[in-house]
Amino acid sequence: GNSVTQMEGPVTLSEEAFLTINCTYTATGYPSLFWYVQYPGEGLQLLLKATKADDKGSNKGFEATYRKETTSFHLEKGSVQVSDSAVYFCAPPPYGNNRLAFGKGNQVVVIP
Amino acid sequence: KAGVTQTPRYLIKTRGQQVTLSCSPISGHRSVSWYQQTPGQGLQFLFEYFSETQRNKGNFPGRFSGRQFSNSRSEMNVSTLELGDSALYLCASSHGTAVGQAQYFGPGTRLLVL
Repeated sequence: GNSVTQMEGPVTLSEEAFLTINCTYTATGYPSLFWYVQYPGEGLQLLLKATKADDKGSNKGFEATYRKETTSFHLEKGSVQVSDSAVYFCAPPPYGNNRLAFGKGNQVVVIP
Repeated sequence: KAGVTQTPRYLIKTRGQQVTLSCSPISGHRSVSWYQQTPGQGLQFLFEYFSETQRNKGNFPGRFSGRQFSNSRSEMNVSTLELGDSALYLCASSHGTAVGQAQYFGPGTRLLVL
């Protein structure tokens, strides 16, 4: 079944720094891939998605490119702000009993 | 469109009690999924309902159950509560279960079991 691997653990960086969070996938075919973000005290929000290979999703300054050569969907932002402090989850589409346990995601803390 | 709503937002129960949580999906969405989020285990899938039928189920004991009504609203029930059931319970809706569908999450119900 489809699955993603996300390097879990906190990421701490200074304001205006470059952020990258790695996500690799294993899939049959090229399913859509998603990044979700969870701000403190809230549920998850869809941040961006890419529906096919070589597609780039973008939103709020974040970007992720669906790269079939490296089976990756890394999340990047060129200049983070304190308001970007949140937990970020990489996810495949939710269907079937291979539905992903989203895991713990990546806690990102941006320091002023 | 209104987003996904969950009630109640906070709940305190004692061991052995049961609890029912409610989720109203985005209008037009027919799929509702439930997740449990804890610091130790992260976000784990409980089950999904589509058109009043449970389509998929995660690896949780039978104490966790759910249902969906004809208006797509869903309820989740946990019986004989245990301390380890303390968690944030999130529901998410999607238009369907087709490939490529994103999920839209509610704010969650935070359950504390004493």
